[in-house]
Amino acid sequence: DAKTTQPNSMESNEEEPVHLPCNHSTISGTDYIHWYRQLPSQGPEYVIHGLTSNVNNRMASLAIAEDRKSSTLILHRATLRDAAVYYCILRGGGTSYGKLTFGQGTILTVHP
Amino acid sequence: DTAVSQTPKYLVTQMGNDKSIKCEQNLGHDTMYWYKQDSKKFLKIMFSYNNKELIINETVPNRFSPKSPDKAHLNLHINSLELGDSAVYFCASSPLGLASTGELFFGEGSRLTVL
Repeated sequence: DAKTTQPNSMESNEEEPVHLPCNHSTISGTDYIHWYRQLPSQGPEYVIHGLTSNVNNRMASLAIAEDRKSSTLILHRATLRDAAVYYCILRGGGTSYGKLTFGQGTILTVHP
Repeated sequence: DTAVSQTPKYLVTQMGNDKSIKCEQNLGHDTMYWYKQDSKKFLKIMFSYNNKELIINETVPNRFSPKSPDKAHLNLHINSLELGDSAVYFCASSPLGLASTGELFFGEGSRLTVL
């Protein structure tokens, strides 16, 4: 499985934008880039995913570099509820598409 | 309504015992999974079932036996529990037909403590 590299932790203030980076230099052409987050004592929660183009949804935006070797998850206005571990994951296709390989993730702290 | 529900939420037991964790999803999904989160917080897939058929088995010891009586349920039975089995076990589901979304829906987890 191709690997991702994320900073161990990041901090933000409430209502400010947050940019969470992820490097995936060994990504293959068919790998999707997924982001999940895990709030304390809860299961992982899907945030967003993309292949080549930038993506927006109600939770966040995903900016994907042109060479696809890196991506950035953007939370436009952080809230205290966004404090969580954020995982950047590469997902292949086929029958193992549900096989998500979680790394250490980035612990996001949001200050009031 | 809880989409993916697991029971029990907490389980404390002695080494050598046999225990089961149950999982049910009411999302109408075709595929279900078991993931394990160890003490270092790494999440790893254990099993995946699609319409009651095993499709992923990640070299999990055969003391772990998943059972899917129907596509809405995937239970995890663990024989001869060991200290190293202590972890949080997450059940998840996804719609196979929408494979391109790749979105998995996770339960809240079952914390297993083996003494």
